[in-house]
Amino acid sequence: EADIYQTPRYLVIGTGKKITLECSQTMGHDKMYWYQQDPGMELHLIHYSYGVNSTEKGDLSSESTVSRIRTEHFPLTLESARPSHTSQYLCASSEQGAPLPKAFFGQGTRLTVV
Amino acid sequence: RKEVEQDPGPFNVPEGATVAFNCTYSNSASQSFFWYRQDCRKEPKLLMSVYSSGNEDGRFTAQLNRASQYISLLIRDSKLSDSATYLCVVNRPNDYKLSFGAGTTVTVRA
Repeated sequence: EADIYQTPRYLVIGTGKKITLECSQTMGHDKMYWYQQDPGMELHLIHYSYGVNSTEKGDLSSESTVSRIRTEHFPLTLESARPSHTSQYLCASSEQGAPLPKAFFGQGTRLTVV
Repeated sequence: RKEVEQDPGPFNVPEGATVAFNCTYSNSASQSFFWYRQDCRKEPKLLMSVYSSGNEDGRFTAQLNRASQYISLLIRDSKLSDSATYLCVVNRPNDYKLSFGAGTTVTVRA
């Protein structure tokens, strides 16, 4: 069982609010990722990190930001939530240097902006 | 062209049947391949890695065809619990990111 945790699992919030989605892993993985997935649709990479103080934008443009101050923690922040941000956000981590860099996912945060 | 393409299905099969489906990838330099399973409204979970020589894990068999740039997944003796979306995942060469297919939905009926 993967040791990667996301909170909250579900969040319903009003437009304009600032929110932070938490993601933590206890596996010591250097690489961490945020994906966005709408119901029935594919995953889209929105942020990734190769290690502490390293963050990069993913393939899908996102108004969210991330930080990586500690290896185990990779929070995602939306400064001003909008209904278009309604989606599921999945955090993942993977091993550095492994021949087969398997990714392990958290249970996701289902965000609804009203 | 998408980096990873899958037949979305759905594949509706009776219990006990064998079902197989493929995924194609665009970058011939890709080295790592995986099948993930995603249940409705849940996170993806690793089903199996795919090795060059092909590999089996119980009722699941994965194959890699580098020449034609596709991987396949075969499920034997389907169970109701196999109903899920199966995601094909391929690494991107020269970085640590993974490309996900949109998934193939399998529904096993009693």
